[in-house]
Amino acid sequence: GEDVEQSLFLSVREGDSSVINCTYTDSSSTYLYWYKQEPGAGLQLLTYIFSNMDMKQDQRLTVLLNKKDKHLSLRIADTQTGDSAIYFCAEKSDNAGNMLTFGGGTRLMVKP
Amino acid sequence: KAGVTQTPRYLIKTRGQQVTLSCSPISGHRSVSWYQQTPGQGLQFLFEYFSETQRNKGNFPGRFSGRQFSNSRSEMNVSTLELGDSALYLCASSFRAGFYNEQFFGPGTRLTVL
Repeated sequence: GEDVEQSLFLSVREGDSSVINCTYTDSSSTYLYWYKQEPGAGLQLLTYIFSNMDMKQDQRLTVLLNKKDKHLSLRIADTQTGDSAIYFCAEKSDNAGNMLTFGGGTRLMVKP
Repeated sequence: KAGVTQTPRYLIKTRGQQVTLSCSPISGHRSVSWYQQTPGQGLQFLFEYFSETQRNKGNFPGRFSGRQFSNSRSEMNVSTLELGDSALYLCASSFRAGFYNEQFFGPGTRLTVL
């Protein structure tokens, strides 16, 4: 079945850039998402990318997609302590309604 | 515009009991999906409803069921609770089913089974 993998943990200093990586296996994935989860909260949609795109930029966030390698990354520029959270990538196939398959999440810790 | 609301936020039950969780989607949204989040299994899809019909179902036992009402509000029910059902249950709403559309998540219901 479909599988989405992420590294577990990333630590950066405030002001540096963070890069969170994700790999997926479903070749029929059409939409890929990044969600943020803070302690005790639900999931906040950060950004998304269509599978026919290579890159998307949204303020401090840059998403890169390598469809050949099924690799997705999220770059956060000028990382702040408020960015500390768990980040999930998720994929959705066109033939699966609204079902999202999530990675295990990457915990980002930002040190002052 | 109000976000997705879930009630109750916290719930404690004992093994063998049943529980009903409620989700009110964003006004105008007709699709509601449910997910279970646990430390061991991560985020797993339970089911999706659109216009009162179940469109998709994840790999969960029949003890997990759901329904959607004509006003798009959704409930999920877990019967004969087990310790392993302790989790954060999240619902997500979106305007339509299929194709691209943003899915907005609620804050979740934290269920503890003792």
